Amino acid sequence: LAKTTQPISMDSYEGQEVNITCSHNNIATNDYITWYQQFPSQGPRFIIQGYKTKVTNEVASLFIPADRKSSTLSLPRVSLSDTAVYYCLVGDKNDYKLSFGAGTTVTVRA
Amino acid sequence: DSGVTQTPKHLITATGQRVTLRCSPRSGDLSVYWYQQSLDQGLQFLIQYYNGEERAKGNILERFSAQQFPDLHSELNLSSLELGDSALYFCASSGGRDWTEAFFGQGTRLTVV
Repeated sequence: LAKTTQPISMDSYEGQEVNITCSHNNIATNDYITWYQQFPSQGPRFIIQGYKTKVTNEVASLFIPADRKSSTLSLPRVSLSDTAVYYCLVGDKNDYKLSFGAGTTVTVRA
Repeated sequence: DSGVTQTPKHLITATGQRVTLRCSPRSGDLSVYWYQQSLDQGLQFLIQYYNGEERAKGNILERFSAQQFPDLHSELNLSSLELGDSALYFCASSGGRDWTEAFFGQGTRLTVV
């Protein structure tokens, strides 16, 4: 799995857009970029996955530049309930291991 | 509700004891993953099974073992428990060998006293 680097924490306010950037300089050709969300004392939850350019779903958007050495998870108009830890994972779908780093703790304030 | 069921939700036991954690994956999912999450070490991958076979091993202690049964449910056995084994243990499942979209259960909180 490619090594990832993301900020330890981010603060935001309700209604704002939150952008979390993940660096993955040694991403391989077959690697996908996947983001998970975890609330305290709950299991992680899949948010979004992408390979290149932009992916959007009902929860978030994922922006991946052409060189794929980084990616940005965008959470539009966050609410207090978006306070959680967000994990960026990069790897080959056939790699079997699903390994989480430290993640980014996002705190949304009123 | 992810569709992954873990039992029990809470477990308190004494040092030196042995416990078994159970996981029922989502219907039709062939892969099961086990994770340990403690305050100081984050979410650590332990082991993965695919259709009854061990596929990948992470930081799993020799005192821990797991298996996946023909009906695809899985059990994680923890023996000779130590205080440091206190943690949340998560099970996740995915449809095939592809790990990238896994569904996690609510976890079992193990407290060793």
